[in-house]
Amino acid sequence: GAVVSQHPSWVICKSGTSVKIECRSLDFQATTMFWYRQFPKQSLMLMATSNEGSKATYEQGVEKDKFLINHASLTLSTLTVTSAHPEDSSFYICSASPLRNRRYNEQFFGPGTRLTVL
Amino acid sequence: DQQVKQNSPSLSVQEGRISILNCDYTNSMFDYFLWYKKYPAEGPTFLISISSIKDKNEDGRFTVFLNKSAKHLSLHIVPSQPGDSAVYFCAASENRDDKIIFGKGTRLHILP
Repeated sequence: GAVVSQHPSWVICKSGTSVKIECRSLDFQATTMFWYRQFPKQSLMLMATSNEGSKATYEQGVEKDKFLINHASLTLSTLTVTSAHPEDSSFYICSASPLRNRRYNEQFFGPGTRLTVL
Repeated sequence: DQQVKQNSPSLSVQEGRISILNCDYTNSMFDYFLWYKKYPAEGPTFLISISSIKDKNEDGRFTVFLNKSAKHLSLHIVPSQPGDSAVYFCAASENRDDKIIFGKGTRLHILP
């Protein structure tokens, strides 16, 4: 099956520091990766869509300068939360859409990263 | 404005009985609907989907029904099993877009 990993699974940082979260598709190439954020008892909120080799497309209300997304290869996308603040504490989940044999809207999700900003 | 709504935050069902999870949507351009299952501290896993050209799709114990005129879909799980206890997200997308819009989820508790 298609496996997506995220690293780290949990990170605690001080306010003002930057945190990088990696999302990797382990056994397939992903032309598109998505980054979501989930608050407690809330829905998965799409933050941005990233395509390999091009700039990410951010959803309305998401600060592109705060949440830097890089999709350097077909198996890796990174999300960097810059100058993190306590309100950025959340569960961040990525998903990847396979390059080939792709069923419509097929996305495979990573296990998520819990970010806690002190 | 929420385009995908799951109005029941939680649902408790006796083991062996049928679980029915409901979902409403407002965007008439949605043409593909998905259900995901999520355990705590894990990413969602795909469960079942349905295209807008169908009104029913069945996969084992899981059946999704779509009522386009009412902009309503439901997920039926029968018989319900303890391992079905999780949060279920309804999601939808438009033809022209890969984006998936999620509802807030319904937490299903299967009671012994």
